[in-house]
Amino acid sequence: NAGVTQTPKFRVLKTGQSMTLLCAQDMNHEYMYWYRQDPGMGLRLIHYSVGEGTTAKGEVPDGYNVSRLKKQNFLLGLESAAPSQTSVYFCASSSGGGTEAFFGQGTRLTVV
Amino acid sequence: DQQVKQNSPSLSVQEGRISILNCDYTNSMFDYFLWYKKYPAEGPTFLISISSIKDKNEDGRFTVFLNKSAKHLSLHIVPSQPGDSAVYFCAGYTGGFKTIFGAGTRLFVKA
Repeated sequence: NAGVTQTPKFRVLKTGQSMTLLCAQDMNHEYMYWYRQDPGMGLRLIHYSVGEGTTAKGEVPDGYNVSRLKKQNFLLGLESAAPSQTSVYFCASSSGGGTEAFFGQGTRLTVV
Repeated sequence: DQQVKQNSPSLSVQEGRISILNCDYTNSMFDYFLWYKKYPAEGPTFLISISSIKDKNEDGRFTVFLNKSAKHLSLHIVPSQPGDSAVYFCAGYTGGFKTIFGAGTRLFVKA
């Protein structure tokens, strides 16, 4: 049972570099989310998707872009990384808006 | 503007005793509240939820209480076990596919 899989698990970027985080789920969930977790801040929603081909902004979308070309995949892109984007990123999926979400193991990103 | 607040960063409890984790919220429009548990180097996992129209929900050793007038909810773990040591996040769902998380409380259960 893979559930939600995030790639990569760790990454170090230099300021200004770009990268894409991949999230894949095998539960046929319609809804997918990207969160970031920072010390003392809990989990904050970056972007989310309510179905294939759709995306929407969350609480902290600036500096990130997303795409959901296939139902099972949700990509998070950083076009020009900044030190403020150093964080742990979690992808999640759910069958409904208020139902339990299933999370990936996280990606620890450091921008130097 | 923190809509969901977990004011205790950490809590230490003896094995076998009750753990009570608290959460306060400011948004009256939350439809559901959820608790997630997170171990180090893992993603959060769902623990228990409660609808805003209820005041209690129980699942095994875990019970969540909701006091709407006080805008307060709590998670009770009885009896506490060392494996319960983790970070617990309280979250509120308002609709629009947005779930707002608190900052988390780290629970230590001592053997």
